[in-house]
Amino acid sequence: GQSLEQPSEVTAVEGAIVQINCTYQTSGFYGLSWYQQHDGGAPTFLSYNALDGLEETGRFSSFLSRSDSYGYLLLQELQMKDSASYFCAVRDVRRDDKIIFGKGTRLHILP
Amino acid sequence: EAQVTQNPRYLITVTGKKLTVTCSQNMNHEYMSWYRQDPGLGLRQIYYSMNVEVTDKGDVPEGYKVSRKEKRNFPLILESPSPNQTSLYFCASSLTGEGYTFGSGTRLTVV
Repeated sequence: GQSLEQPSEVTAVEGAIVQINCTYQTSGFYGLSWYQQHDGGAPTFLSYNALDGLEETGRFSSFLSRSDSYGYLLLQELQMKDSASYFCAVRDVRRDDKIIFGKGTRLHILP
Repeated sequence: EAQVTQNPRYLITVTGKKLTVTCSQNMNHEYMSWYRQDPGLGLRQIYYSMNVEVTDKGDVPEGYKVSRKEKRNFPLILESPSPNQTSLYFCASSLTGEGYTFGSGTRLTVV
């Protein structure tokens, strides 16, 4: 089978740094994606890691390690508007390219 | 503006009454996909399409149909809706199969 595991909730302070982890159990996928979803809104694409290592996009960075079956999303200089749910996702090549999402991590930011 | 448009945004219907949720994208994307989102279950893929006339089942296809007669449109059809199909539905599209752009969502209630 395949699953992506994320913490259900994370709490951090405004201005701080937070890391949201995603571990997965699949042996064949193209890369790891991250999406952000605010309450009442649609998911929006944040980042994609095709290769191992760190990808940086402004305050957000994403990391992938295929050998460790692990990835994370790093959010720096947290702002209140970053309060949202964050989902990791993979496209599974061994399951006809189906997209599998993690159940999401709710990020709470304290002032 | 590049976007995925789905309609309607809200729909209340009765059990057994056939309905269609439309989805259209203006980005000439090859990949299109339908998801449902339920509390505690995250996003689950219903059907997806990698090109015109090519559709495949996702993780939860039962009770749904799709068609991809043109690249831009990917309607979701519920032939005989049941209360367990009450959910928030998202259509999404992608050029490469990664990094999807989502529509605004359709909140469906089946009574």
